[in-house]
Amino acid sequence: ELKVEQNPLFLSMQEGKNYTIYCNYSTTSDRLYWYRQDPGKSLESLFVLLSNGAVKQEGRLMASLDTKARLSTLHITAAVHDLSATYFCAVNNNDMRFGAGTRLTVKP
Amino acid sequence: DTEVTQTPKHLVMGMTNKKSLKCEQHMGHRAMYWYKQKAKKPPELMFVYSYEKLSINESVPSRFSPECPNSSLLNLHLHALQPEDSALYLCASSQDLQGANPLHGYTFGSGTRLTVV
Repeated sequence: ELKVEQNPLFLSMQEGKNYTIYCNYSTTSDRLYWYRQDPGKSLESLFVLLSNGAVKQEGRLMASLDTKARLSTLHITAAVHDLSATYFCAVNNNDMRFGAGTRLTVKP
Repeated sequence: DTEVTQTPKHLVMGMTNKKSLKCEQHMGHRAMYWYKQKAKKPPELMFVYSYEKLSINESVPSRFSPECPNSSLLNLHLHALQPEDSALYLCASSQDLQGANPLHGYTFGSGTRLTVV
């Protein structure tokens, strides 16, 4: 059974700081996704990573994928308050399975 | 049209009621999904339809009954639900089961917040 593990589950950051969220998964897959969810809202697609070594960047967020290590990272650079949300990684193995989510709070 | 539309946005129902959730997409996607999300938890897969055929049923109780009338529509029929079924129900779609669209992967609707009283 595919398992997707994220850490940390909770992250409190100061504005301007950098941090990384980690996502490990248990079976071979070369399709990994990162989503953002604001409270009471649906899921917003951030990144789709489709191959080993894939790196994508959007603003202050950068995601990477290492399929050999079964690891993806979401790096946050110079955090701002607007990034406060819950971030999910998900792995596709003919259906989408989610990690537990990282609840990020960015404080002034 | 790059959206998945879910109706209603909010639903309150009694345990003896019958209701339906609706999901619609016009992106030509051939895979559609129902997820259930409890507060502060990740979405949990319930059902997968591929080319209008039920592909995956994650051991969901029979009080939830999915239906895919055509390639654009997905329904979830609800009957005799329990209070613990209260949750956000999310519909999603993708080009196919592999979801390998480099731009979007899966597209999620805004969800139906269901309360069972």
